[in-house]
Amino acid sequence: QVQLQESGPRLIKPSQTLSLMCTVSGDSIDSDDYYWNWIRQSPGKGLEWIGYIHSAGTTHYNPNFESRISFSIDTSKKHFSLNLSAVTAADTARYYCARANIEPRQRAFDYWGRGVLVTVSS
Amino acid sequence: EVVLTQSPDTLFLSPGERATLSCRASQNIGTAYIAWYQQKPGQAPRLLMYDAFTRATGIPDRFSGSGSGTDFTLTINRLEPEDFAVYYCQQYSRSLPWTFGQGTKVQMK
Repeated sequence: QVQLQESGPRLIKPSQTLSLMCTVSGDSIDSDDYYWNWIRQSPGKGLEWIGYIHSAGTTHYNPNFESRISFSIDTSKKHFSLNLSAVTAADTARYYCARANIEPRQRAFDYWGRGVLVTVSS
Repeated sequence: EVVLTQSPDTLFLSPGERATLSCRASQNIGTAYIAWYQQKPGQAPRLLMYDAFTRATGIPDRFSGSGSGTDFTLTINRLEPEDFAVYYCQQYSRSLPWTFGQGTKVQMK
């Protein structure tokens, strides 16, 4: 059974960089078959796809975040990470990691972590 | 960016009734590339359908999807008590970024 688990700070100050990690178990994060995604959910903006990273290191970011976001992946440690710089209160949200199949017609998010609620406040 | 608009915002129904949820895209996204998710309070979204009409693993056959182009529908036949939740559509076409609809809440009447 595939499981994803987010970890990281629950509270962060404005202008700081948010760093989150997603640990994958029950699956091969180094498989060529999947994209590993970050998605967030806030009351104001609903569900918002942030971007994905592939085991080969390929990334694609939502342009709404592109100047502030970076992903990395460590297949030996079975985790991938998100860094979001210059956070503001608008970045307060629950952050999820999720898996998507690389096949074009199957690229829905089939496994999700439970999410981590991040609050940006001074 | 493809904007997905779901309707209605809230659907008031009783167990045993049929729910029909709509998702309209701001541009043609082809015959597939639409997924539907169910979310209950305090839980992550759960994949129900992908490729517009293919049920995800373990999803009962009372859930069905249809549509193409810009108009897509999720139908839930014979609502069960556990089906009362919020439902989201999502597009994963070549037109990045991937986007979600704002959600439809299926609420018990």
